[in-house]
Amino acid sequence: GESVGLHLPTLSVQEGDNSIINCAYSNSASDYFIWYKQESGKGPQFIIDIRSNMDKRQGQRVTVLLNKTVKHLSLQIAATQPGDSAVYFCAENKGQTGANNLFFGTGTRLTVIP
Amino acid sequence: NAGVTQTPKFQVLKTGQSMTLQCAQDMNHNSMYWYRQDPGMGLRLIYYSASEGTTDKGEVPNGYNVSRLNKREFSLRLESAAPSQTSVYFCASKMAANSPLHFGNGTRLTVT
Repeated sequence: GESVGLHLPTLSVQEGDNSIINCAYSNSASDYFIWYKQESGKGPQFIIDIRSNMDKRQGQRVTVLLNKTVKHLSLQIAATQPGDSAVYFCAENKGQTGANNLFFGTGTRLTVIP
Repeated sequence: NAGVTQTPKFQVLKTGQSMTLQCAQDMNHNSMYWYRQDPGMGLRLIYYSASEGTTDKGEVPNGYNVSRLNKREFSLRLESAAPSQTSVYFCASKMAANSPLHFGNGTRLTVT
């Protein structure tokens, strides 16, 4: 899976399957996490966020899971569609407050096979 | 509600030329940011403005200047463009510390 600061290039899934994109973080003080989707030629798009007082949060077809014990974050996409093909990356706040407190991973490219 | 709007979308400059990238947001956000995105390197923060009237350097500020013109607008200026500044530039904004950044669609800059 992806680590903030490390790069996992690609993940390929069949259309209709579920996708799981992983992110490992190193700072146990991080208490806020965000997943972004970036399509080719566009800016990163906010998908879902989660605070450290939660283990799970669900959106429309997406679920974010947070395991603070092993410092692991995952994004699950249900019934993956061709329109889900994009680069996904996570961001964390590393426990910092203030305006400049988000740190980004380099991303995982999800390719959906029709 | 357009979100974050960046202009221009594309630009080609010759080495030594100057230009200003414009950014405006209509979400009444306090903080605004300029990032560059290069292949394999993710998003790197150039400058940010925590609130109207303040600006601070990020990770890669050399060769750039910024102006927080008002609450809505935050511009990025390249005084003397260099080929190393060829990149995709993203402007972003957010309301508060632990809230998500909202990004524009980027300016693709090539310096020859």
